[in-house]
Amino acid sequence: NAGVTQTPKFQVLKTGQSMTLQCAQDMNHEYMSWYRQDPGMGLRLIHYSVGAGITDQGEVPNGYNVSRSTTEDFPLRLLSAAPSQTSVYFCASSYKVAGVFYGYTFGSGTRLTVV
Amino acid sequence: QQQVKQSPQSLIVQKGGIPIINCAYENTAFDYFPWYQQFPGKGPALLIAIRPDVSEKKEGRFTISFNKSAKQFSLHIMDSQPGDSATYFCAASRNSGNTPLVFGKGTRLSVIA
Repeated sequence: NAGVTQTPKFQVLKTGQSMTLQCAQDMNHEYMSWYRQDPGMGLRLIHYSVGAGITDQGEVPNGYNVSRSTTEDFPLRLLSAAPSQTSVYFCASSYKVAGVFYGYTFGSGTRLTVV
Repeated sequence: QQQVKQSPQSLIVQKGGIPIINCAYENTAFDYFPWYQQFPGKGPALLIAIRPDVSEKKEGRFTISFNKSAKQFSLHIMDSQPGDSATYFCAASRNSGNTPLVFGKGTRLSVIA
């Protein structure tokens, strides 16, 4: 049981490049989400999914796309990287019991620098 | 509009002291209030959580106090240790629905020996 696995751990992109941050979980959690963490800003929600085939926008979705074709995977795509997207990105998953969501399990993060 | 306001931004306490971190929220529909602990270079990890049907919850040295009428909740760390030095985040959500967690901006705690 690996929990939530994020790859890569570090990435440097040039402005305008695109890339996909990978997130996989092996806990059969139906709920997955992407957050970005910036100094003094806490964790801000980018996109989330309540199950395979269902995604929705969070607080800061611009410049990012997601899809959820399987329960296990929730990749985050940067369409055209900008320096403002320099951040640490965290993927999280959660499960529901009797209609109530329980604590998130976070991955170890991807540190992205856009130059 | 910040949905969960956390204070202070940073906190320094002596070993054995009781740091207190406070959070306030506006949305009365929130019904799940967790605290997360994050060490440098790691993802946040769930520390303790409370639902509004109780006013206090203890797990080891960590206690959440919850004041529904004031829309506030706080984290107390008893007998703090240098190993407790980390960043702490409060969060809230309408957990009985399909809504994601909203986080506070975090408190960096340093416990000095």
